[in-house]
Parts: sequence; C-alpha cells; structure tokens
Amino acid sequence: LAKTTQPISMDSYEGQEVNITCSHNNIATNDYITWYQQFPSQGPRFIIQGYKTKVTNEVASLFIPADRKSSTLSLPRVSLSDTAVYYCLVGDGFDMRFGAGTRLTVKP
Amino acid sequence: GAGVSQSPSNKVTEKGKDVELRCDPISGHTALYWYRQSLGQGLEFLIYFQGNSAPDKSGLPSDRFSAERTGGSVSTLTIQRTQQEDSAVYLCATNSQSSPSGANVLTFGAGSRLTVL
Repeated sequence: LAKTTQPISMDSYEGQEVNITCSHNNIATNDYITWYQQFPSQGPRFIIQGYKTKVTNEVASLFIPADRKSSTLSLPRVSLSDTAVYYCLVGDGFDMRFGAGTRLTVKP
Repeated sequence: GAGVSQSPSNKVTEKGKDVELRCDPISGHTALYWYRQSLGQGLEFLIYFQGNSAPDKSGLPSDRFSAERTGGSVSTLTIQRTQQEDSAVYLCATNSQSSPSGANVLTFGAGSRLTVL
C-alpha cells in the first residue's frame, strides 16, 4: 500500500484557485490516485480519479507527473462551500486505507 | 437501493452493553468496507468484505469488534462490551467501478454515530 502525505491544513479565499498536493513515493504500477471530499457530519464523497497525466471533470482537475510520485488536486475559484477535508487515496481499488487528509478552509 | 443505507443513524448506549450497526449496500456492489471516525480525526479502516468473506480484518481494534456479511449484501458490525473510547461515527462504504478511469471508487453511507456513556 502506497503511503500518502498531504498538508494537514490549508486556508484560501473565495474565488481563488486551490492546489492540494499529495506525495506517494512508493506508488505501484497498478495503483490509481483518487481524491475524496468530506463535509462535517457526512461520509466522504468521490471527487476525481486518475492514473497519469491530467484529468478534469466539472468539479476539479487532477495533475499527475510522469513519475506518479505525487499528484495535485486543483479546485478552481473556490467558494465557502468548498470548506471540507480532502483525502488522497492511492491503491489498486481494493485496499482502501485513507490518510489524514487536508482540511481546507475557505474564507470570505 | 440507490445509496448506502446505515442504521441506526444515532445510538446512545451505556458502557458494557453490546451494539449492532447495520449497513445496507448498493445493490450489486460486491466489496464493502467499514471505517471508524472519531471526532475531528481521519478515517480508520476496520474491515473489508469481498462478497461474504473478509480478506482483511486487520483494522479491527480489539476482539470486542466483529463483523459479518450475509448473502453478499447486508453487513453488521458488532461491538461487544462497549467502552467510552468506542464513541465515534462508524461509516460503511461500497465499491464500484464507476469512475471514467476504470478503477473502483467508494460510495459512503451517512454513518452511525455511536455514543457510549
């Protein structure tokens, strides 16, 4: 299982772009990189997943360099409602152990 | 069902009592996971089911914790002789190959909040 390292917390302001980087130095060939978002009193929910290069959906973008030892979740123009904990999960789709996550606080 | 359903949503019990928490997964999802989340903390993996078998029970914190799954569907997490440190939200998730990338992603229930007095 690839261990992940993320910043414990980040602050931002409304309208800014937020980039959260996750390090996973021992990622395996079969591993995918998946990001989840968790609001207080709710279970986490899927945001985006990728294997290599760049993935974009209606919510976020995920940048993965060629060596795949890190990944960056990019949230464009955040709002107050994006305040949440963001988890980076690296695995083959069956071993699902979460790291500590990054607590993002968006300020007005 | 349409989503992962957990019951009860809230449970208050006295120290030493046994509790059962139930997870009703999304129909057809074969993999099921239990996590524990203490206040302000991250998700602690407890156990994982593939069908009715549990290939990985390594996260169960003590022998007071057990889980079973029947018919490849409903799962029950049982905590015997509850202690105050068992107070947490217990989350269930099921696994589906629903991402455009092709790998599995988790869908979580709303959780069961357990308070041990």
